[in-house]
Amino acid sequence: GENVEQHPSTLSVQEGDSAVIKCTYSDSASNYFPWYKQELGKRPQLIIDIRSNVGEKKDQRIAVTLNKTAKHFSLHITETQPEDSAVYFCAADGSGNTGKLIFGQGTTLQVKP
Amino acid sequence: EAGVAQSPRYKIIEKRQSVAFWCNPISGHATLYWYQQILGQGPKLLIQFQNNGVVDDSQLPKDRFSAERLKGVDSTLKIQPAKLEDSAVYLCASSRQNTEAFFGQGTRLTVV
Repeated sequence: GENVEQHPSTLSVQEGDSAVIKCTYSDSASNYFPWYKQELGKRPQLIIDIRSNVGEKKDQRIAVTLNKTAKHFSLHITETQPEDSAVYFCAADGSGNTGKLIFGQGTTLQVKP
Repeated sequence: EAGVAQSPRYKIIEKRQSVAFWCNPISGHATLYWYQQILGQGPKLLIQFQNNGVVDDSQLPKDRFSAERLKGVDSTLKIQPAKLEDSAVYLCASSRQNTEAFFGQGTRLTVV
């Protein structure tokens, strides 16, 4: 069935360091890969997304890379700040091009000042 | 634009009771989703509507969960009867077709 695996489950970095979160997906038909940030008790919010026709996308300190052959994609945060601390979820669109998202299990990122 | 509105924010019920959640999507968004997020896990899709028709309800436990989206706008999700394992945050999201999904604040359900 459709599945998204996300690693690591927790990540602790020093302020200013980089953080990398990796995901793999099972459905080769997936074409859309968003990343959501969820602060404690709040709604998931989209921070960046990538579609299968590109290999990399960057937005200021955040970048996402996609390897369709290997079916994996990664989130890179550079120059981390304490306000980056949150749970990050990767997702992939499910089969049928309906917009349905299959989420990973989440990564709790802690940025220590 | 106004975001996705959900109510109530919190609900505590006893097992075997029933409960209903309400969602008002962003105006103009034809697609509406209900996700279940168990503590420490990623959201899992329960049901997806396109206007007032069901697109995907393959993960909805239909013996106890039901959802409707009358008139293609607001939606309600009902659980009857609730079980302890239904304790979770129920997130509603909406989108225009195949674009970014916007989430509501969610309803935190505790079944005791």
